[in-house]
Amino acid sequence: GQNIDQPTEMTATEGAIVQINCTYQTSGFNGLFWYQQHAGEAPTFLSYNVLDGLEEKGRFSSFLSRSKGYSYLLLKELQMKDSASYLCAVKDSNYQLIWGAGTKLIIKP
Amino acid sequence: ETGVTQTPRHLVMGMTNKKSLKCEQHLGHNAMYWYKQSAKKPLELMFVYNFKEQTENNSVPSRFSPECPNSSHLFLHLHTLQPEDSALYLCASSPTWDGGYEQYFGPGTRLTVT
Repeated sequence: GQNIDQPTEMTATEGAIVQINCTYQTSGFNGLFWYQQHAGEAPTFLSYNVLDGLEEKGRFSSFLSRSKGYSYLLLKELQMKDSASYLCAVKDSNYQLIWGAGTKLIIKP
Repeated sequence: ETGVTQTPRHLVMGMTNKKSLKCEQHLGHNAMYWYKQSAKKPLELMFVYNFKEQTENNSVPSRFSPECPNSSHLFLHLHTLQPEDSALYLCASSPTWDGGYEQYFGPGTRLTVT
């Protein structure tokens, strides 16, 4: 079966750095996505990795290791508005997106 | 605003009712999707349409019936639903269904089946 694992919940302090991990086992690989979803709102796209390495976009970075089936999302200089759920999703060999259950990130002052 | 709109935003229906959810995208995309999101569970892909043709139906019960009259509009017709169908129903679109394109989501319809 296909599976995406990520922690259910994480807590971090405003101004700090947090790393959200995602491991996957899928039938083929055509890219990995990270989305942010605030409570009661739609998911919004954060990043896309298809090759190994780090993609940096402002305060957010995403890393991929295809050989390890592993990715992480790194959030720097945390702000209260970063409190949200972070969803990891992988496109399999049929280009179908397989989603993780999401990591709820709680930011404390 | 992501360019994808959904109506209604909230819906309460009895198990014998018939209702429809509507999705419209203003992005010129050719692929549209219906997802079900239940608390603490991964997003469940229900249906995929690419250039108005259905390409995926992930074993969804027949009480959910999709309709895609053109590349900009997507409907989900509901009838004789069960309480376990209560969830957030999200519509999304992307330029095509394959490739590395991100999906743009609508705000969702919060459905409660009583």
